[in-house]
Amino acid sequence: AQSVTQLDSQVPVFEEAPVELRCNYSSSVSVYLFWYVQYPNQGLQLLLKYLSGSTLVKGINGFEAEFNKSQTSFHLRKPSVHISDTAEYFCAVSRAGGATNKLIFGTGTLLAVQP
Amino acid sequence: NAGVTQTPKFQVLKTGQSMTLQCAQDMNHEYMSWYRQDPGMGLRLIHYSVGAGITDQGEVPNGYNVSRSTTEDFPLRLLSAAPSQTSVYFCASSWAYSETQYFGPGTRLLVL
Repeated sequence: AQSVTQLDSQVPVFEEAPVELRCNYSSSVSVYLFWYVQYPNQGLQLLLKYLSGSTLVKGINGFEAEFNKSQTSFHLRKPSVHISDTAEYFCAVSRAGGATNKLIFGTGTLLAVQP
Repeated sequence: NAGVTQTPKFQVLKTGQSMTLQCAQDMNHEYMSWYRQDPGMGLRLIHYSVGAGITDQGEVPNGYNVSRSTTEDFPLRLLSAAPSQTSVYFCASSWAYSETQYFGPGTRLLVL
């Protein structure tokens, strides 16, 4: 079974500052890793995903994440945030290559960007 | 191409009432699933389906029924609503063996 831990429930940051949202996972098999974003009162939108290959993954809106197998982490970063980045961010994992795409989500991190 | 649609957007129920949350997709996806989102708990898988006529339980299936008579539709039924089912429900779909899921806009359910 897989599990995901997002230790930070809320991350306040000033506009134009860098940010890192932390995600650690646990799994006995190979996994795919995802970051989703949820803007207020909306559904989930895929930010980026790691399937294989390069450990640095670039996504939409200037976000990137780095897969670290030894530390079982997949932290999300952005060098300069905007007010519009205020949202909840979810890290998720699924079993690599499976017929089904059952996602296991973390509890989410609320990114609060202040002017 | 509407993607994944969910109805209704909001619903208030009394304890013991029944209702069906609708989910439809127009992308010919084989895989569909239902999640519930609760504060501090992220999203948890309720039921999923890998094709018409095939469904299976996820992490939190109790109190919910599903069926998949067509590729496009995957309704979620609450037979006897309980306050513990107050939540936001998301439907998602994808092609089989695809890693990318597409989420609907959600249904907010309040059970009094």
